[in-house]
Amino acid sequence: DVVMTQTPVSLPVSLGGQASISCRSSQSLVHSNGNTYLHWYLQKPGQSPQLLIYRVSNRFSGVPDRFSGSGSGTDFTLKISRVEPEDLGDYYCLQSTHFPWTFGGGTKLELK
Amino acid sequence: EVQLVESGGGLVQPGRSLKLSCAASGFTFSSFAMAWVRQAPKKGLEWVATITSGGSNTYYPDSVKGRFTISRDNAKSTLYLQMDSLRSEDTATYYCAKDLAYWGQGVMVTVSS
Repeated sequence: DVVMTQTPVSLPVSLGGQASISCRSSQSLVHSNGNTYLHWYLQKPGQSPQLLIYRVSNRFSGVPDRFSGSGSGTDFTLKISRVEPEDLGDYYCLQSTHFPWTFGGGTKLELK
Repeated sequence: EVQLVESGGGLVQPGRSLKLSCAASGFTFSSFAMAWVRQAPKKGLEWVATITSGGSNTYYPDSVKGRFTISRDNAKSTLYLQMDSLRSEDTATYYCAKDLAYWGQGVMVTVSS
């Protein structure tokens, strides 16, 4: 199984500041079709996860451009600039290149 | 607007069965793969099952393979998860998801005697 190592576990931030979350996979996430199926989610307290970024760097509908994703192969990053209160919660990466699909352990973005 | 509404959760004894449903609306259900993802209390997310748009292919992690069965009724725009031989470690909120992009509100399953 592909192990997704997400860091840090907890990330204290100031409103208006920047946050960066890393997700590393135990093997390449490049599919045989050339696509890389690495996605990022935010789960706000008491809510379902919501898709932020799909296939490494594509913002989902309605996601502010403060969110950006980058990376390739086994190393991926989610950056949040100008953090707002509604950005607080648990962030997860997910790989759907290889079965079984696997999530990172999560990063809690909280106020400093 | 995409809507996914799960139902069928509850308290069940270990070894018993439960069937979850997910009623979909706002999109052409038969055109999309669907999935179930679960989250144990205070824990992270775990993928549980995926089914292709026509229902011909299904995929599971080892943790539920042989015990859980994902299925769909495209005429009713409904996704199902049949859960047999339930264990305490299956206690979780179960979410259905369209294309991993849209998620329902979740339904709680508690396995306990």
